[in-house]
Amino acid sequence: AQKITQTQPGMFVQEKEAVTLDCTYDTSDPSYGLFWYKQPSSGEMIFLIYQGSYDQQNATEGRYSLNFQKARKSANLVISASQLGDSAMYFCAMREGQSGGYQKVTFGTGTKLQVIP
Amino acid sequence: GAVVSQHPSRVICKSGTSVKIECRSLDFQATTMFWYRQFPKKSLMLMATSNEGSKATYEQGVEKDKFLINHASLTLSTLTVTSAHPEDSSFYICSAKRLGYEQYFGPGTRLTVT
Repeated sequence: AQKITQTQPGMFVQEKEAVTLDCTYDTSDPSYGLFWYKQPSSGEMIFLIYQGSYDQQNATEGRYSLNFQKARKSANLVISASQLGDSAMYFCAMREGQSGGYQKVTFGTGTKLQVIP
Repeated sequence: GAVVSQHPSRVICKSGTSVKIECRSLDFQATTMFWYRQFPKKSLMLMATSNEGSKATYEQGVEKDKFLINHASLTLSTLTVTSAHPEDSSFYICSAKRLGYEQYFGPGTRLTVT
């Protein structure tokens, strides 16, 4: 079974609109972390936001927020007020185990977001 | 945030030669470094995990003798692709972490084998 599933290979959004990128995960580990990364055409992986499995509140970082629904095992990324510079590949990832110990991060297949002027 | 660098950012080599990629944590001591490979329009696949001063742990299907990993110091890990072939052409990304923190990614190295 896939550990991280991103069902949207591509998405379009109008500039200044909000967009939600879907991510579901599968793990039996009670301690895990969920990440979203942005990868522009240059290739570098840019960290956007992190949610720990024990965090009570949904993570937010500027225009990025993570809609964490633990029971449904989903961790959708919401980008508010989209900008042209948001056009990129977006990867959801999961780290299983304690952050202080050994960690293996598994990535989803990514969603290509294109912001339309 | 923490800074991780990779060198070179792009490299072209001839088939049969070896190429070395460096990954450095610039402002922290990395207890663990990870090497990923990304095929075009695909996700990142973990190749190996290396801890400073010990042998790397390779993921299933990754050839140890082909992809040599050395983590000689707390700020440097190297990946050497030996006897490179065109199918080794890919984007290689490293990440580094210190105890108690999440991993930080380098900018990646694009390898083209002709």
